[in-house]
Amino acid sequence: DGGITQSPKYLFRKEGQNVTLSCEQNLNHDAMYWYRQDPGQGLRLIYYSQIVNDFQKGDIAEGYSVSREKKESFPLTVTSAQKNPTAFYLCASSMASSYNSPLHFGNGTRLTVT
Amino acid sequence: AQSVSQHNHHVILSEAASLELGCNYSYGGTVNLFWYVQYPGQHLQLLLKYFSGDPLVKGIKGFEAEFIKSKFSFNLRKPSVQWSDTAEYFCAVRSNNDMRFGAGTRLTVKP
Repeated sequence: DGGITQSPKYLFRKEGQNVTLSCEQNLNHDAMYWYRQDPGQGLRLIYYSQIVNDFQKGDIAEGYSVSREKKESFPLTVTSAQKNPTAFYLCASSMASSYNSPLHFGNGTRLTVT
Repeated sequence: AQSVSQHNHHVILSEAASLELGCNYSYGGTVNLFWYVQYPGQHLQLLLKYFSGDPLVKGIKGFEAEFIKSKFSFNLRKPSVQWSDTAEYFCAVRSNNDMRFGAGTRLTVKP
């Protein structure tokens, strides 16, 4: 079955450590996205990528970094510069060629930094 | 970049009541509009979408939404809610490949 896989489901890190969240899709989608979901704030866009080796900052990119070396993979690194990293992170993908194409979401990774 | 506002943070209704959730966006160009739902413990799912044509769009589970261009609005409606509609609802606006979401509205339906 096609879909988006985020791993791990739960992640715990000590403050000051970088951590990388995995996102893989086998839908052959060009566009991929990372969102952060916090209670009462909805989904906020961190980064998105329309094509391999290209990505753009969203509203809250500070303290995060991404790479897009392969079409199916869009890992997100939460760096020690991110002031409030504890959150639920969602990865999504869509067909880039069709702007009415909806996003398909993964099940998310809940990151806790202590 | 576009922004999305959802007016209601938490809505509480009894079963069979009618529902309308507000969504306004700010962007002057061509947009595609979506409503997503997140049931407790589940991932986000598409309810319905608008990209052109009839401004009244129908989605799954009896939901519909009306695009009013002059008001920059895309409100979600359902004539009669059920307990199983308890969930969080997100409005989203897409221009090119930039997709932004509202803060969400939590709907609680009392049996």
